[in-house]
Amino acid sequence: GQQLNQSPQSMFIQEGEDVSMNCTSSSIFNTWLWYKQDPGEGPVLLIALYKAGELTSNGRLTAQFGITRKDSFLNISASIPSDVGIYFCAGLVSGNTPLVFGKGTRLSVIA
Amino acid sequence: GAVVSQHPSRVICKSGTSVKIECRSLDFQATTMFWYRQFPKQSLMLMATSNEGSKATYEQGVEKDKFLINHASLTLSTLTVTSAHPEDSSFYICSALSRARSYEQYFGPGTRLTVT
Repeated sequence: GQQLNQSPQSMFIQEGEDVSMNCTSSSIFNTWLWYKQDPGEGPVLLIALYKAGELTSNGRLTAQFGITRKDSFLNISASIPSDVGIYFCAGLVSGNTPLVFGKGTRLSVIA
Repeated sequence: GAVVSQHPSRVICKSGTSVKIECRSLDFQATTMFWYRQFPKQSLMLMATSNEGSKATYEQGVEKDKFLINHASLTLSTLTVTSAHPEDSSFYICSALSRARSYEQYFGPGTRLTVT
């Protein structure tokens, strides 16, 4: 089946630093989504991307839909302690099909 | 944003009993809902796709007779774990698809199932 390669698997950063993570795929997706999951909670949608080349921001978060439709990245600027959690990328082929998830990036922020 | 609730948030049951987990979309209609299972420090694993008014579609390796799914209305899907065993202990998460929001999927807060 389809798989997404998400990297890095984990990262430890100082508060205030910028963070970058990305996902790549061997196949094309028509929608890319980025989620954050806190321990014991369900994933929360951060950013949705619908067009190849699209660059979208949500506060300190910026994500881009790769021009080939096979990759996406998420940047977090000026990290703060509450950014700690697991970030998942997810790809969607079409409307009501299941999401394909990356394996997640575990972010730790050191104050 | 769209709100999806799950009930219960955590449940402990004895081996051999059945447990029902509810997933509700609170402020939108969801013709499609998905059920996932998540093991510690791992990503979400899709179990089944639930469509309102029709039978669920199960992923390979997921026993349909063990994990019963009912999507009786546009805002409610239920997952029943029948004859639960300790290996069924896991974090179960549902998501609901919002057509009104360009097919974005919104997740419930999850249900922690522990089978003793």
